[in-house]
Amino acid sequence: LAKTTQPISMDSYEGQEVNITCSHNNIATNDYITWYQRFPSQGPRFIIQGYKTKVTNEVASLFIPADRKSSTLSLPRVSLSDTAVYYCLVGQWGYGNKLVFGAGTILRVKS
Amino acid sequence: DGGITQSPKYLFRKEGQNVTLSCEQNLNHDAMYWYRQDPGQGLRLIYYSQIVNDFQKGDIAEGYSVSREKKESFPLTVTSAQKNPTAFYLCASSSTSAEKLFFGSGTQLSVL
Repeated sequence: LAKTTQPISMDSYEGQEVNITCSHNNIATNDYITWYQRFPSQGPRFIIQGYKTKVTNEVASLFIPADRKSSTLSLPRVSLSDTAVYYCLVGQWGYGNKLVFGAGTILRVKS
Repeated sequence: DGGITQSPKYLFRKEGQNVTLSCEQNLNHDAMYWYRQDPGQGLRLIYYSQIVNDFQKGDIAEGYSVSREKKESFPLTVTSAQKNPTAFYLCASSSTSAEKLFFGSGTQLSVL
């Protein structure tokens, strides 16, 4: 099973770009990389998913190098409402017992 | 609104008591999951079900039981055999064609 490692916490200021890196050294060929956002007292919410190179949607970008042993979630111009825990998830679909959640990164955005 | 509903939000268990956490989804998803979270740790998989009447153990299934009699429902029972049940429990679901999980808001279980 691919184990993931993320920083425990990060601090940022409003308007800055935030990059959170996740390490997954033993990622398997069929594994996807997915990031979730979680606010207090709520379940995680899907942000973005990728397999290789770069993926961008309306809220974030995901950068995955060629060796896929790490990935970086990029949040452009964060606001106070982006303060949350961010989880990196690596695994195959259709195999529930192979989905591995990291411990999460607490992002604190300050004004 | 489509989504996943977990109840209750807070639950207290007495020593030796079994308690059941409810999870209902109206997303027409085939797969459902139960995760446990302890402070400072990631989510750990307890049980998952890919289809009705079938479920598989996750990493920490001991002391827990589940059933999947209906597609919409996946209740989790925390039995008296689970000696350290205090945790935050999250239910999730996914369709077989989508590659993301949808989560409920969770249940905080504490021991009296």
